[in-house]
Amino acid sequence: QQKVQQSPESLIVPEGGMASLNCTSSDRNVDYFWWYRQHSGKSPKMLMSIFSNGEKEEGRFTVHLNKASLHTSLHIRDSQPSDSALYLCAARGNTGNYKYVFGAGTRLKVIA
Amino acid sequence: EAAVTQSPRNKVTVTGGNVTLSCRQTNSHNYMYWYRQDTGHGLRLIHYSYGAGNLQIGDVPDGYKATRTTQEDFFLLLELASPSQTSLYFCASREFSQNTLYFGAGTRLSVL
Repeated sequence: QQKVQQSPESLIVPEGGMASLNCTSSDRNVDYFWWYRQHSGKSPKMLMSIFSNGEKEEGRFTVHLNKASLHTSLHIRDSQPSDSALYLCAARGNTGNYKYVFGAGTRLKVIA
Repeated sequence: EAAVTQSPRNKVTVTGGNVTLSCRQTNSHNYMYWYRQDTGHGLRLIHYSYGAGNLQIGDVPDGYKATRTTQEDFFLLLELASPSQTSLYFCASREFSQNTLYFGAGTRLSVL
């Protein structure tokens, strides 16, 4: 079973709508979280990172982190068709040599 | 942005065949990673390294060997390829003091 679980598996939102994606680590030995975006046929690229409890906003994108529950969420407001992609959550282990573990992803489709 | 080059981009081999996937990064990053990506599983860590001559075991290492010959070069070896190893393989690198992973374009491997 994935140690980093993402939900939902897929999501369809209308253009201009809000997309909300969730990610939880079942491994308590993690500290930092990232969100990567992967467009079809491309490689993943880092979208946002969050290391402290609370919220971080960059343009239309907002991430939340609750370190006690090891849960992070990504919210995309005013969604655009260009936001259609696979969104991957990653967590870094805080022991040993810092493995970066990814979830299975949420496939977002924004329809015009 | 960090440059990570993977070769070949596509590879077809037969069951029992011998395959080497290559990855080179030109930013003198300390860490390099090999992931495989399969639908429903996201990115799964095979092996990683924090410097020349170093190798760390990932989460799905069975059937794979890896070698980090220089700071720049990280190879993934499949000595007896099996159809279950048909996948999209990504190499990534990062600087020790930074947390962003930079991915190559990927190698699509088919084992017939």
